[in-house]
Amino acid sequence: EDQVTQSPEALRLQEGESSSLNCSYTVSGLRGLFWYRQDPGKGPEFLFTLYSAGEEKEKERLKATLTKKESFLHITAPKPEDSATYLCAVQASGGSYIPTFGRGTSLIVHP
Amino acid sequence: ETGVTQTPRHLVMGMTNKKSLKCEQHLGHNAMYWYKQSAKKPLELMFVYSLEERVENNSVPSRFSPECPNSSHLFLHLHTLQPEDSALYLCASSQAASLRGETQYFGPGTRLLVL
Repeated sequence: EDQVTQSPEALRLQEGESSSLNCSYTVSGLRGLFWYRQDPGKGPEFLFTLYSAGEEKEKERLKATLTKKESFLHITAPKPEDSATYLCAVQASGGSYIPTFGRGTSLIVHP
Repeated sequence: ETGVTQTPRHLVMGMTNKKSLKCEQHLGHNAMYWYKQSAKKPLELMFVYSLEERVENNSVPSRFSPECPNSSHLFLHLHTLQPEDSALYLCASSQAASLRGETQYFGPGTRLLVL
């Protein structure tokens, strides 16, 4: 059974205090790993897709990395507008369309 | 701004009501999805329509019934729901469901409350 575990569940940072969010996964063959951002009362917003170990992608203050067991979302010098819930999902290569989502990390960045 | 729209944004219904949720995507995608998001739980995929083929999560109760008349529109028909069905219902679309690691684009969701 595919599993996705995100940690920490919640994270509070001061503005400018860099940190990382973790997404550990167990899947029988990875088709893709996805990071989304979700603001309260809104649908998830796509951030990154990673396909293979060693791959990295960046967007503004965010950088996503991937190994064979986990992915990290690094946040460099965060700002209050980065406050949101960050969701990780994996899609297995076994033929199912159904992605497995983690419970998310709730990030609050204080000014 | 997302190319996936959902109506209504909020819905309150009794357990004996029948209502429908609507989703429309303006991205030219070929696959559409319904998700349920409950508090403190992971996103749960309910249904997938890809190239007019339907795939469903077997754990979804029959009181939820999807309809996909074309590749741009998706409905979720609701009938005799239970209070535990109260949640945020999200629609998403992707270029295709079968290709490698398709990115999904989500709508804003419908907040449903069942009394």
